[in-house]
Amino acid sequence: GIQVEQSPPDLILQEGANSTLRCNFSDSVNNLQWFHQNPWGQLINLFYIPSGTKQNGRLSATTVATERYSLLYISSSQTTDSGVYFCAVVALSGSARQLTFGSGTQLTVLP
Amino acid sequence: GAVVSQHPSWVICKSGTSVKIECRSLDFQATTMFWYRQFPKQSLMLMATSNEGSKATYEQGVEKDKFLINHASLTLSTLTVTSAHPEDSSFYICSLGYEQYFGPGTRLTVT
Repeated sequence: GIQVEQSPPDLILQEGANSTLRCNFSDSVNNLQWFHQNPWGQLINLFYIPSGTKQNGRLSATTVATERYSLLYISSSQTTDSGVYFCAVVALSGSARQLTFGSGTQLTVLP
Repeated sequence: GAVVSQHPSWVICKSGTSVKIECRSLDFQATTMFWYRQFPKQSLMLMATSNEGSKATYEQGVEKDKFLINHASLTLSTLTVTSAHPEDSSFYICSLGYEQYFGPGTRLTVT
């Protein structure tokens, strides 16, 4: 099956700093989503971005499908940004809508 | 996006008992729902795809007789962990929708 790798696994930032999270995938995809899992376990859908660039406030994401990677940018980080960020994909060759998750990036933003 | 609820949010049960977890879509009719399991400090792993009015599709390695899934209506899917054991202790999360929206999760602890 498709492999999804995220980097870095852990990231510690000072409040106000910027960061870039990366997601590499091993096969063509027809869906890619970024999620934020808060400390209580709730997964928040950040971006649905199989290709191109999207922005939402301090967050933006870019997926280069031909090169099989996606980037999540967090600018002016806040303590509330802390949590785990997951990238998840639906393989073009796989069953429709079945997401395969990466291992996540644990982000800690210090005050 | 879709609003998804899960009940209960957490449950503690004794080894050998069965536990039912409900996943409800509050504003969206879903013919397909997904069940994931997440162990501490790990990523989400798809357990099964729940199909309204038909049998669920289980991922390799997931025991269908142990994890019973019923998708009786377009707004409700249930996961029953039968004869639970301590190794079944985990965070169980459901999702639905094309841009998958996740429930808040159910934390199961088996003693």
